[in-house]
Amino acid sequence: GQNIDQPTEMTATEGAIVQINCTYQTSGFNGLFWYQQHAGEAPTFLSYNVLDGLEEKGRFSSFLSRSKGYSYLLLKELQMKDSASYLCAVMDSNYQLIWGAGTKLIIKP
Amino acid sequence: DAMVIQNPRYQVTQFGKPVTLSCSQTLNHNVMYWYQQKSSQAPKLLFHYYDKDFNNEADTPDNFQSRRPNTSFCFLDIRSPGLGDAAMYLCATSRDGLEGSGANVLTFGAGSRLTVL
Repeated sequence: GQNIDQPTEMTATEGAIVQINCTYQTSGFNGLFWYQQHAGEAPTFLSYNVLDGLEEKGRFSSFLSRSKGYSYLLLKELQMKDSASYLCAVMDSNYQLIWGAGTKLIIKP
Repeated sequence: DAMVIQNPRYQVTQFGKPVTLSCSQTLNHNVMYWYQQKSSQAPKLLFHYYDKDFNNEADTPDNFQSRRPNTSFCFLDIRSPGLGDAAMYLCATSRDGLEGSGANVLTFGAGSRLTVL
């Protein structure tokens, strides 16, 4: 079967750095996406990785290792507004998106 | 601003009473999706349209139907809602569903939250 694993919940302090991990087992690979979802709202796109390495976008970076089936989302200089769920999704060989259940990130002052 | 708009944002219905949720997009995207998302769970794909080509997920119950009368609009019909159908229903679009590239980035609507009494 296909599955995406990410921690259920993480807690971090305002101003700090946090890394949210995602491991995947899918039938083929056509890219990995990270989405942010605030409570009761729709997911919004954060990043897309299809090649190994680190993609940096302001305070957010995303890393991919295809050989290890592993990605992480790195959030720097955490702000209270970063409190949200972070969803990892992988596009398989049939171009179907396989979603993780999301990691709820709690930011404390 | 180009966007995806869902109506209604909140829908309360009685057990067994049909419901229709609507989605419109101004992005001119080829692909439209309907997802069901329950609290703290991953979005679950119900069906998607690639242009007019309808694709039903194998485990989507027959109770759920969809229509896409034109490029801009898509509807989700729940024929006889049960208590287990209470969820957030998310409509999303993407420019192209057949390339492993940024063309597959999904743009979501704000969602329709369904409550079944």
